[in-house]
Amino acid sequence: DAGVIQSPRHEVTEMGQEVTLRCKPISGHNSLFWYRQTMMRGLELLIYFNNNVPIDDSGMPEDRFSAKMPNASFSTLKIQPSEPRDSAVYFCASRPDGQGYSRGYEQYFGPGTRLTVT
Amino acid sequence: GEDVEQSLFLSVREGDSSVINCTYTDSSSTYLYWYKQEPGAGLQLLTYIFSNMDMKQDQRLTVLLNKKDKHLSLRIADTQTGDSAIYFCAESRGSTLGRLYFGRGTQLTVWP
Repeated sequence: DAGVIQSPRHEVTEMGQEVTLRCKPISGHNSLFWYRQTMMRGLELLIYFNNNVPIDDSGMPEDRFSAKMPNASFSTLKIQPSEPRDSAVYFCASRPDGQGYSRGYEQYFGPGTRLTVT
Repeated sequence: GEDVEQSLFLSVREGDSSVINCTYTDSSSTYLYWYKQEPGAGLQLLTYIFSNMDMKQDQRLTVLLNKKDKHLSLRIADTQTGDSAIYFCAESRGSTLGRLYFGRGTQLTVWP
């Protein structure tokens, strides 16, 4: 299994530029999560999808952030315009559906995208 | 409160036991998890416990769950330098099935 794939792994951009982060979940997983990790705030859930539909986007910081999941195998997180305070590691995670799944709600994380906004 | 809470740092000597503690919030939590994050990597599931259990042992790892106090702990026996990482506690809450609530993470440093 390839695991959750994220690209790019590192992104350095200037303030005001648009940034697009990409995620390919594990095949067959129905839920997809976007997280942001910083030293100050720890791990924050930004948004999550189930069967390509956004379920909870209450963690999205502001209108500059948007996320889409056009199909079951691809999701994007876009920041426009980017600001230095957006610098963080962004993780994507996926999970199969089913309450009867033996590990409950275990999520599988990608390696993350380290974003630096100068 | 709303937060899953953990202490931020723990240092131990190689060969000693490490105990990482966590308090969670929802008495209806069904599963509780420990995730490990190594430098530059994503989180990986280390172990988990179902809420009707008090203890789970998996090789060097022992998870203890006190539902009355909403307290979870992870004990690592014979801690090795390779165990140095950030350890996250997480709960799945009965009211919002599907998402996990993570603590801030405990940075474990193991000294040779």
